[in-house]
Amino acid sequence: NAGVTQTPKFRVLKTGQSMTLLCAQDMNHEYMYWYRQDPGMGLRLIHYSVGEGTTAKGEVPDGYNVSRLKKQNFLLGLESAAPSQTSVYFCASSYDRGARPFYSNQPQHFGDGTRLSIL
Amino acid sequence: GNSVTQMEGPVTLSEEAFLTINCTYTATGYPSLFWYVQYPGEGLQLLLKATKADDKGSNKGFEATYRKETTSFHLEKGSVQVSDSAVYFCALSDRDNYGQNFVFGPGTRLSVLP
Repeated sequence: NAGVTQTPKFRVLKTGQSMTLLCAQDMNHEYMYWYRQDPGMGLRLIHYSVGEGTTAKGEVPDGYNVSRLKKQNFLLGLESAAPSQTSVYFCASSYDRGARPFYSNQPQHFGDGTRLSIL
Repeated sequence: GNSVTQMEGPVTLSEEAFLTINCTYTATGYPSLFWYVQYPGEGLQLLLKATKADDKGSNKGFEATYRKETTSFHLEKGSVQVSDSAVYFCALSDRDNYGQNFVFGPGTRLSVLP
């Protein structure tokens, strides 16, 4: 049971470099999310997707781009990394019950995180 | 909009002490409520959930009851262990015409001393 898999687990970048974080889920979930977690700041939503081919901005989207070309994958891109983007990044996914009234809201499932340092 | 408030940490307890972490919420609809736990160096794991009023979620000795009248979902454990040291997040999920919404509390760090 893989669940939500994030790659890479660790990465060190220099300011101005670019990179892509990959999130893959094998639960056929419609929703996928990218969060960043910083000391004392809790979880902050960067971008999310409600389905293949759709993305939307979260609370802190600046400096990041995302793509959801396949339902199982959600990519987070940093075009020009900055030290302020040093953080732990978490991907999550969830099942959407749609408008069915007797189905409860389902929890998010999280990956193990990517620890990103930008020098 | 929806929000979740948790008690400020850190919380430090001795082994076998009773634990309560308070969580209150505001929501316009009928949310589901969750507690997540994050151990050092790991991602968030679902600890327990409750989907309607008066439901009690339980797992690994932890319990929380969905109290609609007080809009609360307090986490309790009768006897904590050193291995329970972690950060605990209260969260809610709601759904409107636009889709599913999740809101997390800021997290409460628990340290259990032997």
